[in-house]
Amino acid sequence: EAGVAQSPRYKIIEKRQSVAFWCNPISGHATLYWYQQILGQGPKLLIQFQNNGVVDDSQLPKDRFSAERLKGVDSTLKIQPAKLEDSAVYLCASSPRQLAGGPTDTQYFGPGTRLTVL
Amino acid sequence: RKEVEQDPGPFNVPEGATVAFNCTYSNSASQSFFWYRQDCRKEPKLLMSVYSSGNEDGRFTAQLNRASQYISLLIRDSKLSDSATYLCVVNIVYNTDKLIFGTGTRLQVFP
Repeated sequence: EAGVAQSPRYKIIEKRQSVAFWCNPISGHATLYWYQQILGQGPKLLIQFQNNGVVDDSQLPKDRFSAERLKGVDSTLKIQPAKLEDSAVYLCASSPRQLAGGPTDTQYFGPGTRLTVL
Repeated sequence: RKEVEQDPGPFNVPEGATVAFNCTYSNSASQSFFWYRQDCRKEPKLLMSVYSSGNEDGRFTAQLNRASQYISLLIRDSKLSDSATYLCVVNIVYNTDKLIFGTGTRLQVFP
């Protein structure tokens, strides 16, 4: 079974530039997550989609970050404009969850995009 | 106070040693608990879920103490391949799958 795909794997930009990341979840997985992992820290949830609707975006810095999941499959995360503190690994994850309720589903992570902002 | 706290380590242990990691969480309403493993420059992967009764998977044993809001992971007979960062993870709300990750504990097993 193919895993979660992300691209690009690495990106270097200057501050104030824009950048976009792409994620293709595991086929059939309804829920998609974007995490930010700063060096030395655990992943922090930025946004959660179920199908093409947003479930939780409470920790997404909406003045500069945006995400969409049109058609409920692939997703893109954009940063505009980037700041130095946005340097991190951006991880996409997916899980099968279709309905609310029940035990937590396992989340499967992609390899991440390592962003460096100069 | 952080929602999930771990000792960052590193823990340097010889092959064959037994090592234990601890984790505390601040929200008493936390519902589900996990240990994830993250190799250097790789993505996190689920190692095991943690149940109130304790659970074991081969050389790995996880324990949960809800009264003390404390989770542990014990690794017996450490292998070189166990070298990684171990992330303590908590789900606060039962049906939202919102995971809160600790900063991770780094383990280095040497020959």
